[in-house]
Amino acid sequence: GQNIDQPTEMTATEGAIVQINCTYQTSGFNGLFWYQQHAGEAPTFLSYNVLDGLEEKGRFSSFLSRSKGYSYLLLKELQMKDSASYLCAVRSLYNFNKFYFGSGTKLNVKP
Amino acid sequence: DGGITQSPKYLFRKEGQNVTLSCEQNLNHDAMYWYRQDPGQGLRLIYYSQIVNDFQKGDIAEGYSVSREKKESFPLTVTSAQKNPTAFYLCASNARQGYQETQYFGPGTRLLVL
Repeated sequence: GQNIDQPTEMTATEGAIVQINCTYQTSGFNGLFWYQQHAGEAPTFLSYNVLDGLEEKGRFSSFLSRSKGYSYLLLKELQMKDSASYLCAVRSLYNFNKFYFGSGTKLNVKP
Repeated sequence: DGGITQSPKYLFRKEGQNVTLSCEQNLNHDAMYWYRQDPGQGLRLIYYSQIVNDFQKGDIAEGYSVSREKKESFPLTVTSAQKNPTAFYLCASNARQGYQETQYFGPGTRLLVL
């Protein structure tokens, strides 16, 4: 089976750094995706990790450890517009078209 | 501008009625997907299509049907057999460059039952 776990909600202060964790247990792994989703809108792609290590893209970085079944999304210099849900998704090794999504972490950025 | 369009933004369905949600992309992507999102939950895969005239059931296909007659279009029909259709429906397509993969989503259709 597939199991993707993320914290339900987090709060952080504008200008700070926040780390959103994602742990997964899947029968096969072929990449992990992070998305940002503002309320009532579609998810937008943030990052893709298939190899262990850190991928950096401006204020956002994503880390993957395949042996631990663990990823995190790091957001630096938080801005109010970063208030959104962040979805973690794992792609199946056995069917490239199957993505298993976590329930999302709602991030509240306060002044 | 390239992208994925979905229409309508809001759709109301009466009991026993079939409704069709539109999804069009001009990104020249082969693979397209339909997801359903319920409040506080992750996305669940309904159907996907790798190429024209081919599609496969996802994890929650019951009560839904699709077609893929053109590369650009992947409409989803919510049939009367779907007893709990109220949800946010998202269409997506995939692009791959080397090992880097990106999934693009349309703006979504919110379906409500009258």
